[in-house]
Amino acid sequence: QITLKESGPTLVKPTQTLTLTCTFSGFTLGTTGVGVGWIRQPPGKALEWLGTIYWDDDKRYSPSLKTRLTITRDTSKNQVVLTMTNMDPVDTATYYCARTVYPALKGAFDYWGQGTLVTFSS
Amino acid sequence: DIQMTQSPSSVSASVGDRVTITCRASQGISNWLAWYQQKPGKAPKLLIYGASTLQSGVPSRFRGSGSGTDFTLTISSLQPEDFATYYCQQGDNFSLTFGGGTRVDIK
Repeated sequence: QITLKESGPTLVKPTQTLTLTCTFSGFTLGTTGVGVGWIRQPPGKALEWLGTIYWDDDKRYSPSLKTRLTITRDTSKNQVVLTMTNMDPVDTATYYCARTVYPALKGAFDYWGQGTLVTFSS
Repeated sequence: DIQMTQSPSSVSASVGDRVTITCRASQGISNWLAWYQQKPGKAPKLLIYGASTLQSGVPSRFRGSGSGTDFTLTISSLQPEDFATYYCQQGDNFSLTFGGGTRVDIK
């Protein structure tokens, strides 16, 4: 059974750095083709891809957010970590992590976490 | 960036209706196209990948087609559990983008 779960702060302040952890089970990130991606969704708006880390430690980021994002992995803990710097209220969103398999799924994500809502405090 | 344009943004339909949603890519993506269903407060659910391959467990009333820049999701006979928002997503060249979504609600 494949599961993913996001964890991290629910409240952040402007200019802070957000760190979210995706803890997964049922698959191994070291398996050829496997990747874990981050996707976010502001309230009432569309999905936005942030980035993906792959089995070979290759990392790909959204061009519009690339300078603010870092994705790392801890294979021994089955975790992937997203770091986003210089947070702004427009970054209020539900953040999801999800699994992909390259090239079998042609870029699609087949298993998703439940998501974690990140909002701002003044 | 490859832009994905979905239409319509919303559609009202009745149970049993045939519903068609289109997605257009700003440049050719071969068949690197997926469709998702999302219900309020829930994570997206993968319906179709590779433009036309049905994900395991997804009912056969969902059908995807297209290649290159123009893609279609068809629900052949809308069921009560199908009222949701649908997103397309392209996966070409490791830089992904989603469409703006299509809300399917009850007429």
